[in-house]
Amino acid sequence: DAGITQSPRHKVTETGTPVTLRCHQTENHRYMYWYRQDPGHGLRLIHYSYGVKDTDKGEVSDGYSVSRSKTEDFLLTLESATSSQTSVYFCAISEVTSVGVFFGPGTRLTVL
Amino acid sequence: KQEVTQIPAALSVPEGENLVLNCSFTDSAIYNLQWFRQDPGKGLTSLLLIQSSQREQTSGRLNASLDKSSGRSTLYIAASQPGDSATYLCAVRPRGGTASKLTFGTGTRLQVTL
Repeated sequence: DAGITQSPRHKVTETGTPVTLRCHQTENHRYMYWYRQDPGHGLRLIHYSYGVKDTDKGEVSDGYSVSRSKTEDFLLTLESATSSQTSVYFCAISEVTSVGVFFGPGTRLTVL
Repeated sequence: KQEVTQIPAALSVPEGENLVLNCSFTDSAIYNLQWFRQDPGKGLTSLLLIQSSQREQTSGRLNASLDKSSGRSTLYIAASQPGDSATYLCAVRPRGGTASKLTFGTGTRLQVTL
């Protein structure tokens, strides 16, 4: 299995509070991604990074920000959580070469 | 815009049966196609990756095929076991695009019964 960890694995928070999710990889892969998975919508890309300090938006980026200060860490921040951000969040990594994409175990976030 | 469809959405088979899962995509200009399995409450596990120049890939009891011209991929599972019960997803990466442009299907939920 690819060396990807996510923390926390579960979180319950209240509307309006800031939340930060962390993804850590030990594979030294260049690309890192944050997805959310919701029933009826499948997997949707939130943000991705193509290197340290290099990030870009995905299809559902509103309300989220990211940072990548080190190759191994990619942070996802919900500045002011809303109930619509209740979801399961997955981090993924890949390299420029054609070896595919690998996913972390996920974080289940509930916003009350 | 690439669209990826997986039919059926759910499938139940008795143990020991061979089965085929389908993945269809609308734009044949792909770089590769990847099959994943997802167990309930878990992340996605990569099963097989097929490059656009390949016709098939095999791993144990799994065989994935790719027909770009018809926009189809199939995942063949031989001698199914209860442990194969999971949701299977395919994802397509476009030619010239990074993996940030992956398009996922919504999956087929497989149940293998005793």
